[in-house]
Amino acid sequence: GAVVSQHPSWVICKSGTSVKIECRSLDFQATTMFWYRQFPKQSLMLMATSNEGSKATYEQGVEKDKFLINHASLTLSTLTVTSAHPEDSSFYICSARGGGASSYNEQFFGPGTRLTVL
Amino acid sequence: AQSVTQPDIHITVSEGASLELRCNYSYGATPYLFWYVQSPGQGLQLLLKYFSGDTLVQGIKGFEAEFKRSQSSFNLRKPSVHWSDAAEYFCAVGAPNAGKSTFGDGTTLTVKP
Repeated sequence: GAVVSQHPSWVICKSGTSVKIECRSLDFQATTMFWYRQFPKQSLMLMATSNEGSKATYEQGVEKDKFLINHASLTLSTLTVTSAHPEDSSFYICSARGGGASSYNEQFFGPGTRLTVL
Repeated sequence: AQSVTQPDIHITVSEGASLELRCNYSYGATPYLFWYVQSPGQGLQLLLKYFSGDTLVQGIKGFEAEFKRSQSSFNLRKPSVHWSDAAEYFCAVGAPNAGKSTFGDGTTLTVKP
């Protein structure tokens, strides 16, 4: 099956620093990748949708300058949390969607990245 | 706009008992529907999905779900729960060909020995 990896799996950083999270589709080409944020005991909130080679589409309320998304290739998308603050501490999950009619609406999820900002 | 409601925040069942997790959706046409399971600190694993066709869909780990258009529901069932099924379960709805999905708030399943 389709595999999506995330790196790192967890990160602890100081307030004010930037953190980059990578999302890779390992065995398929991801035409679209999604970034979600999940607070403890809560559901996934979609932050943005990124298509390879184009700018990400952010959901309402998500700061574009705060959460920089780059989808430079069909197998890699990155989320950079700039000038991180404690309130940015969360579980960040990416998902990827491949091409082809049969998989068009199926997302494959990464294992998530736990960000803790001190 | 599409939305998903999972009425039960927390469900506790005994091991070996049957399970039903409820999911109601709001969407103007026939949506794509999904059930995912998430273990603590982990990503999401797809249990099953409904795109079209037979309204009773079979998934992994012995789960099944039934799409009922008249009730706007897509409830998840399992005839006999195992202790390893304890996790968070999310129902999601997606607009056909739109790609992205909207998730419910989740139901936490606890399994008693």
